Amino acid sequence: QKEVEQDPGPLSVPEGAIVSLNCTYSNSAFQYFMWYRQYSRKGPELLMYTYSSGNKEDGRFTAQVDKSSKYISLFIRDSQPSDSATYLCAMKAGANSKLTFGKGITLSVRP
Amino acid sequence: GAVVSQHPSRVICKSGTSVKIECRSLDFQATTMFWYRQFPKQSLMLMATSNEGSKATYEQGVEKDKFLINHASLTLSTLTVTSAHPEDSSFYICSASNWVSSYNEQFFGPGTRLTVL
Repeated sequence: QKEVEQDPGPLSVPEGAIVSLNCTYSNSAFQYFMWYRQYSRKGPELLMYTYSSGNKEDGRFTAQVDKSSKYISLFIRDSQPSDSATYLCAMKAGANSKLTFGKGITLSVRP
Repeated sequence: GAVVSQHPSRVICKSGTSVKIECRSLDFQATTMFWYRQFPKQSLMLMATSNEGSKATYEQGVEKDKFLINHASLTLSTLTVTSAHPEDSSFYICSASNWVSSYNEQFFGPGTRLTVL
């Protein structure tokens, strides 16, 4: 079993839809949880960061962490065509630990 | 936010040649730099971690004699792919960190696409 599993996708939604992206993990030591957005042939950019369990909201984006279930989610409200990209979850045990990435899911938002 | 650049953005080389990729932190001093490899439709796989002035730490399965990493200054790290072969063709991405945040955020470069003919 891989340390981080992410729904493979791809995912296509109409503009304005609510998008739910999910990852599960097996390493209970993970404490830091991130979501990155990666456009084609570009490096990843950090979208959301959460420490331990809980919710975090930033504009149209909400990140949720459920450590008891080892499950994290990213919600995108009122999705826009500009949200079309690959979304990667990533996590690490300590601030100085290495990041472990999910495989990524490609999202396409249709106008 | 902190900016990390990579050069070149794309390189095509013949099998057996060596290729050097540069990673620079433009507006901050990076205590640690990371090198990742990403195959099409795959995730980022960490290759090695380097701290300025010390030897890089390679992940299991990564040949340190093939992927030479030098972190000579707080703003520059280089990855040299020696005797490249077609199977080394991939997207190489670096990142840099320096404890600007409590979670030691990594700032990623735009990546270098290597194609070995």
